[in-house]
Amino acid sequence: KNEVEQSPQNLTAQEGEFITINCSYSVGISALHWLQQHPGGGIVSLFMLSSGKKKHGRLIATINIQEKHSSLHITASHPRDSAVYICAVGLYSGGGADGLTFGKGTHLIIQP
Amino acid sequence: EPEVTQTPSHQVTQMGQEVILRCVPISNHLYFYWYRQILGQKVEFLVSFYNNEISEKSEIFDDQFSVERPDGSNFTLKIRSTKLEDSAMYFCASSEIASGRRNIQYFGAGTRLSVL
Repeated sequence: KNEVEQSPQNLTAQEGEFITINCSYSVGISALHWLQQHPGGGIVSLFMLSSGKKKHGRLIATINIQEKHSSLHITASHPRDSAVYICAVGLYSGGGADGLTFGKGTHLIIQP
Repeated sequence: EPEVTQTPSHQVTQMGQEVILRCVPISNHLYFYWYRQILGQKVEFLVSFYNNEISEKSEIFDDQFSVERPDGSNFTLKIRSTKLEDSAMYFCASSEIASGRRNIQYFGAGTRLSVL
């Protein structure tokens, strides 16, 4: 069973700051996902990583497979980035579908 | 942009009643998932479905839960006799076949189930 730990649990920052959210997991995985959940509850997939680094706009995600660790960075943060950011991992077992194990999420607030 | 749609957005039911939560996955996707999130807690995996059968299920997915793909578009989660602790947000997700099956999962907006 994979344990997914995120830090910090809560983060409040000022607009424009560089944000880092960390995720670690205990068991080797097929892929790691970063997701965003807004106050209304909807979940949006931001990245899926199996190695290296991905960038989309102001968001950057990195993963270190050997260390079982991933980070999500937000550059030039903006109040609209305020949301819960969730790390989730898949453990592909060859069965055809990959149910995800989720972290508890990081509640990010960006103040103007 | 294609999206996963879930209905209803909010379902209120009495304890002991059966509920069916409905999902329409993205049309060319072949893998389907149900997750739930109890208020204030993390999202938990319930079940995955591929090729008209359950692929994987968690300890939460006991005999009172079932899933079905009754036609070419819908994917349903049935809870036979709801309990208070079934109150949660239920998310449906789908993903497309890809090499190595390392797929991005697209989530619906969720159905909030309230059991009274």
